[in-house]
Amino acid sequence: QLQLQESGPGLVKPSETLSLTCSVSGGSMSSTLYYWDWIRQPPGKGLEWIGSLYYDGTTYYNPSLKSRVTMFVDTSKIQFSLEVSSVTAADTAVYYCARRVSGDTWNWFDPWGQGVVVTVAS
Amino acid sequence: SYVLTQPPSESVAPGQTARITCWGNYIGAKSVHWYQQRPGQAPVLVVYDDTDRPSGIPERFSGSNSGNKATLTISRVEAGDEADYYCQVWDSSSDQVVFGGGTKLTVL
Repeated sequence: QLQLQESGPGLVKPSETLSLTCSVSGGSMSSTLYYWDWIRQPPGKGLEWIGSLYYDGTTYYNPSLKSRVTMFVDTSKIQFSLEVSSVTAADTAVYYCARRVSGDTWNWFDPWGQGVVVTVAS
Repeated sequence: SYVLTQPPSESVAPGQTARITCWGNYIGAKSVHWYQQRPGQAPVLVVYDDTDRPSGIPERFSGSNSGNKATLTISRVEAGDEADYYCQVWDSSSDQVVFGGGTKLTVL
């Protein structure tokens, strides 16, 4: 059974770069059926999609974050990463990685990682 | 960009039926998915592709989608169903994932 686990610093200073990694176990990232996504949730708020990564390195980003976000997959294809530059307090959130099942007209997330709390503060 | 609108909250007595709505322009033409998020936990997929349930999700959870409204129905509500519920679609016109704002279900 596929499992995802986020990791990274829990505290980032304003204007610096937030870096997170999602480790994939129990399955491969190389299938053409799936994308690998990041989603975040600010405290007390709803879910915000950050972006998607395909196994070949193709990326799709939320336009509202596109200028500050980079996603990439490592060459072993057992983990993928997120970087958000020039962070502010508004980037404080729980960050989730998730596998997106993708078809012609359908795209859903299953499973999700447990999430990692990231706080932006000096 | 495409917008999904959910009521912020709904309440239901145990044993009754809860209906959580998700409104979007011609949402019936899209594939809608629903997630349950209990406090302090990650979201869990409970309905995908409008009406299908992942393995392990009780039959009490069902979905429908037509016109401008999608609905998640929870029959015979239990205390453990108290959670936030989010609808989600893929907006093919912009290649973006879209989430609704979430509905907090309270079991009275």
